[in-house]
Amino acid sequence: NAGVTQTPKFQVLKTGQSMTLQCAQDMNHEYMSWYRQDPGMGLRLIHYSVGAGITDQGEVPNGYNVSRSTTEDFPLRLLSAAPSQTSVYFCASSYSFTDRLNTEAFFGQGTRLTVV
Amino acid sequence: GDSVTQMEGPVTLSEEAFLTINCTYTATGYPSLFWYVQYPGEGLQLLLKATKADDKGSNKGFEATYRKETTSFHLEKGSVQVSDSAVYFCALLNDYKLSFGAGTTVTVRA
Repeated sequence: NAGVTQTPKFQVLKTGQSMTLQCAQDMNHEYMSWYRQDPGMGLRLIHYSVGAGITDQGEVPNGYNVSRSTTEDFPLRLLSAAPSQTSVYFCASSYSFTDRLNTEAFFGQGTRLTVV
Repeated sequence: GDSVTQMEGPVTLSEEAFLTINCTYTATGYPSLFWYVQYPGEGLQLLLKATKADDKGSNKGFEATYRKETTSFHLEKGSVQVSDSAVYFCALLNDYKLSFGAGTTVTVRA
């Protein structure tokens, strides 16, 4: 049972560089999302997807792009990295967000990103 | 928009002490409420949940009751252990979005 897999676990970028954080789940979940975790601020939603081909913005989308071409994968792209994007990034998936009995979110282990 | 407010930490307790972490929320409609726990170096995992008013979620000795009249979902445990040391997040689900509180760091000393 792999669950939600994020790669890489650690990354250092220079300001202005671009990169893609990978997220894959093997539970056939429809709903996937990306969060960033900063001290004292909890987790803030960046982008989410309710199914393949459908994405929407969360609370802090600026500077990030996503796409969902398959049910399994939901990559997060940083277009031009800035020091303000230094954070820990978590990907999560859920079977459903409308069926109240099946709304548990499963999280990956996180990617610690530092932008210098 | 929706928001979750939980008590600030850090909280330091001795083993077998009583733990309570306050959580209140603001939301339209009828959100589901959750407590997630994060152990060092790991992602979040679900601790318990409640999907409607007056529901009580419970797991591993932790409990929380969905109180719509006070818009609260306080987490309690009667006797904590060292292994309960972690960061605890209150969260609500509404309109496809999961919103989190800032997190409360709990340290339990032997």
